[in-house]
Amino acid sequence: SQQGEEDPQALSIQEGENATMNCSYKTSINNLQWYRQNSGRGLVHLILIRSNEREKHSGRLRVTLDTSKKSSSLLITASRAADTASYFCATFVVDYKLSFGAGTTVTVRA
Amino acid sequence: EAGVAQSPRYKIIEKRQSVAFWCNPISGHATLYWYQQILGQGPKLLIQFQNNGVVDDSQLPKDRFSAERLKGVDSTLKIQPAKLEDSAVYLCASKETGGEKLFFGSGTQLSVL
Repeated sequence: SQQGEEDPQALSIQEGENATMNCSYKTSINNLQWYRQNSGRGLVHLILIRSNEREKHSGRLRVTLDTSKKSSSLLITASRAADTASYFCATFVVDYKLSFGAGTTVTVRA
Repeated sequence: EAGVAQSPRYKIIEKRQSVAFWCNPISGHATLYWYQQILGQGPKLLIQFQNNGVVDDSQLPKDRFSAERLKGVDSTLKIQPAKLEDSAVYLCASKETGGEKLFFGSGTQLSVL
């Protein structure tokens, strides 16, 4: 079974708008990571947030983590056509095992 | 820096045939993962190696799937015999010792007819 679940499953926005997606997970974690997958490609690591952090920024990405609610959110600001992809949250349950959610598919319209 | 290499890129076989996928991780990465990604789903871990030893293969269907990582570098994943439900993208990823992020290859898209 998958550890994380993303919400919404799909998101369509206009270029320049912000995109927000959420991830809920089930068990205690060491860290939570977000990955992007362009169509027909492998996953690319975007950002990692540790269990003792609440918010982290990287360029146009902002990630929050609420361990009491076992949830995280990823915000992409000022979206571009190149941001069209599927986004997955992944949790390190133990030191080595990375478990992925089902993903949010984001479409950015020109 | 060269990324994770996988081949073939695409494979079409008939059910009950066998198939093998190859992965060469980033140089020096001791940890290697094989994930299965069914269309519309997230990647599911099949097997994880640390050097040439298996760390986790709890979700590998061992009656038909096998994997090896001889010499602790490249790895092969085999399916024999294939079933229709094995149609998926097979992703290989690697991680350096002590690292936390995974580096993925482009995957092998398998279609079983």
